[in-house]
Amino acid sequence: AQTVTQSQPEMSVQEAETVTLSCTYDTSESDYYLFWYKQPPSRQMILVIRQEAYKQQNATENRFSVNFQKAAKSFSLKISDSQLGDAAMYFCAYRSSWGGSEKLVFGKGTKLTVNP
Amino acid sequence: SAVISQKPSRDICQRGTSLTIQCQVDSQVTMMFWYRQQPGQSLTLIATANQGSEATYESGFVIDKFPISRPNLTFSTLTVSNMSPEDSSIYLCSVDVYQNTEAFFGQGTRLTVV
Repeated sequence: AQTVTQSQPEMSVQEAETVTLSCTYDTSESDYYLFWYKQPPSRQMILVIRQEAYKQQNATENRFSVNFQKAAKSFSLKISDSQLGDAAMYFCAYRSSWGGSEKLVFGKGTKLTVNP
Repeated sequence: SAVISQKPSRDICQRGTSLTIQCQVDSQVTMMFWYRQQPGQSLTLIATANQGSEATYESGFVIDKFPISRPNLTFSTLTVSNMSPEDSSIYLCSVDVYQNTEAFFGQGTRLTVV
């Protein structure tokens, strides 16, 4: 079974600075998807960024980018120019691409605090 | 994408009672899922809601405790039966949309059992 590990329960960053959240995963599959979701206090899970395993190029979405290291099974999220609205729980998630729609496997999450 | 309406947003219930949570999507979706998020924890899949047939449950979750219905392609319900304080969690509906790899989530139901 696949597992996702987020080793940082909490992180903090100063507004306008950069922070990196870590995620590692374990799988025997070669094709899969990886995601970072954000969960603010409102509880709504919001997709931040996604990465297809077959793509070597790291995904970017505005201030958010990932460092995807397939051989190391590492998928970190970098948030540049941090804003107060970035404060939330961040979950790393894995999804197999085999068999159609598969369940998401989540890490335990990292609570990000943004200090003004 | 998909707009998901999940009701109720929160509830406080007496132990031994049941609560039904509704998930309505504004468009036809391929798959619907129900997750549980216990306090301070990550999300765990309860079951996959199958349209017109019995849900597929994950290990540790059973139909008698978490009956699920999905009468059509845009609507599903999750019932938490014979509740105990250990059932206090956030319950989230999630859907897959055709040609999208990510899952979309409802706003969640915060359940407190007293």
